[in-house]
Amino acid sequence: AQSVTQLDSHVSVSEGTPVLLRCNYSSSYSPSLFWYVQHPNKGLQLLLKYTSAATLVKGINGFEAEFKKSETSFHLTKPSAHMSDAAEYFCVVRTGNQFYFGTGTSLTVIP
Amino acid sequence: GAGVSQSPSNKVTEKGKDVELRCDPISGHTALYWYRQSLGQGLEFLIYFQGNSAPDKSGLPSDRFSAERTGGSVSTLTIQRTQQEDSAVYLCASTPPGGPSYNEQFFGPGTRLTVL
Repeated sequence: AQSVTQLDSHVSVSEGTPVLLRCNYSSSYSPSLFWYVQHPNKGLQLLLKYTSAATLVKGINGFEAEFKKSETSFHLTKPSAHMSDAAEYFCVVRTGNQFYFGTGTSLTVIP
Repeated sequence: GAGVSQSPSNKVTEKGKDVELRCDPISGHTALYWYRQSLGQGLEFLIYFQGNSAPDKSGLPSDRFSAERTGGSVSTLTIQRTQQEDSAVYLCASTPPGGPSYNEQFFGPGTRLTVL
């Protein structure tokens, strides 16, 4: 069975400090992994995706994620938070043609 | 190029009425998904179409929900006898045909449904 667990429903950071949003997955197969961002009243936008070419994946807006097979994790990071990063973030696992979404992490950035 | 489009963007209806939500996927995308996102919640899978194959309806919450995809392109999600708990944002996504497994979904802006 496939599943995605986002370990924090809410994360709050100060502007300019690092961001860490955690995601663990379970999959019977070699998964494809994605992070999406959803700003208030906006659609979902792809931040980055794991393609097996490299375990450290760079995405848009300075975000990165590292695939760790031994830990079944795909945590999202950013060195320095910006006010515009405040949004909902979703970790997604693709197995075959099915996509499994985590419950989301709401990121608040404090000025 | 054009992305996934959905209409209407907002729909307000009265309890008991039927509604139709439309999705236009990206041209050439053979896979199409419908999701529901309730306020402050994650995405709930509803139904999935892949080419001419029978759709995967395993996520439809009740028999009041149905969807069709005509000509392998446009899809319509129909909710009959709407209930207040159907109020949510309905999202549509499409993916390109074949290709690597890391092809992502492209999402539309959603239809916000409010049932009074």
